[in-house]
Amino acid sequence: DAKTTQPNSMESNEEEPVHLPCNHSTISGTDYIHWYRQLPSQGPEYVIHGLTSNVNNRMASLAIAEDRKSSTLILHRATLRDAAVYYCILRDANSGYSTLTFGKGTMLLVSP
Amino acid sequence: DTEVTQTPKHLVMGMTNKKSLKCEQHMGHRAMYWYKQKAKKPPELMFVYSYEKLSINESVPSRFSPECPNSSLLNLHLHALQPEDSALYLCASSQGHSGTGYYEQFFGPGTRLTVL
Repeated sequence: DAKTTQPNSMESNEEEPVHLPCNHSTISGTDYIHWYRQLPSQGPEYVIHGLTSNVNNRMASLAIAEDRKSSTLILHRATLRDAAVYYCILRDANSGYSTLTFGKGTMLLVSP
Repeated sequence: DTEVTQTPKHLVMGMTNKKSLKCEQHMGHRAMYWYKQKAKKPPELMFVYSYEKLSINESVPSRFSPECPNSSLLNLHLHALQPEDSALYLCASSQGHSGTGYYEQFFGPGTRLTVL
């Protein structure tokens, strides 16, 4: 699987936007960019995914660079509940298996 | 119902014990997964079942024995574990496993295992 690089940690204040970066310079044309997050003492949960175009859903937005070598997960207004480890994961659409290979992720700290 | 349940929540066992972890989903998913997560580390894939058949075993020691009795249930049988096997064991499910596109995985809350 192609590798991703994320900052170890980021801090934000409540109700402010948060931009979580992910670098994936070796991404292939068939790799989807997925984001999962893991709240304390819980299992990971799906956040969003995209291939080439920017994506929005009720949880977040995903901005994908034109060359696809990086992406940014955007939380529009952080809440205390958004404090979690955020994982950026590449998944090959043609690999035949839809497994997840987690990297180290970014720990997001949200202050009131 | 988009929930994956895992029992027990916590388990303490000795190195000579035999115990089992249980996972259940009622979303009609045909792929189920076991992950292991050590403290402050990301989850690591252990096993994948697709249509009740084992399709991936990530070189997991034989003291971990998975079982998928039906499409809703996934068990992980534990025997002769070592203290370094202490971890959070996560179960997940998804609509499918192979093929094009992707399938979002739904995770349970995990079983926190301590081996003494």
